[in-house]
Amino acid sequence: QQPVQSPQAVILREGEDAVINCSSSKALYSVHWYRQKHGEAPVFLMILLKGGEQKGHEKISASFNEKKQQSSLYLTASQLSYSGTYFCGTEALLKPRTQGGSEKLVFGKGTKLTVNP
Amino acid sequence: EAQVTQNPRYLITVTGKKLTVTCSQNMNHEYMSWYRQDPGLGLRQIYYSMNVEVTDKGDVPEGYKVSRKEKRNFPLILESPSPNQTSLYFCASSLGRGRSNQPQHFGDGTRLSIL
Repeated sequence: QQPVQSPQAVILREGEDAVINCSSSKALYSVHWYRQKHGEAPVFLMILLKGGEQKGHEKISASFNEKKQQSSLYLTASQLSYSGTYFCGTEALLKPRTQGGSEKLVFGKGTKLTVNP
Repeated sequence: EAQVTQNPRYLITVTGKKLTVTCSQNMNHEYMSWYRQDPGLGLRQIYYSMNVEVTDKGDVPEGYKVSRKEKRNFPLILESPSPNQTSLYFCASSLGRGRSNQPQHFGDGTRLSIL
């Protein structure tokens, strides 16, 4: 089941901040964030694991609330290069790997971010 | 250079004519996956493979086949393509090994049009 991203689109002026949310109906093992520019492949930003959070890229950070089954991506002091579509990907471990549980990453529909001068 | 290579990048074909999109990675990754991307629907997983000879269905497997005979290759096969399979396809790979905290590396995509 696809995680739900919000908002669907956001327009910023350079230097403004934005938050993109990702929520799931399932208990999550990890959350991935990717950015895709028009006509290009998605590019990895960061992964957040159950029990922690990870800050991995420029002025972009993220949090992972396991209880709420939500993750948020924070873009601060946005730059023109931040424009693109942001996808979260979630993994819900349906059964333990010792019982054949497998990695299945499910992506949300994306949030289109436009940063204007 | 570490990369995931897809071929072809663009293909226009007709309904019913079997086609294969190849995917190859040079990073010794165990996990490989195919996605399709359609406007407003995001990336939807077609099939994935945890390792050689181990494949499993994703969310939209109907009309597709895959095989994983070698670690580096993961071709996507459309036995009898139909217009509703017109889409942008991405292959991705990651270290896998039973851990989810590995980033996915994507190929450049294959734009498929089926008339």
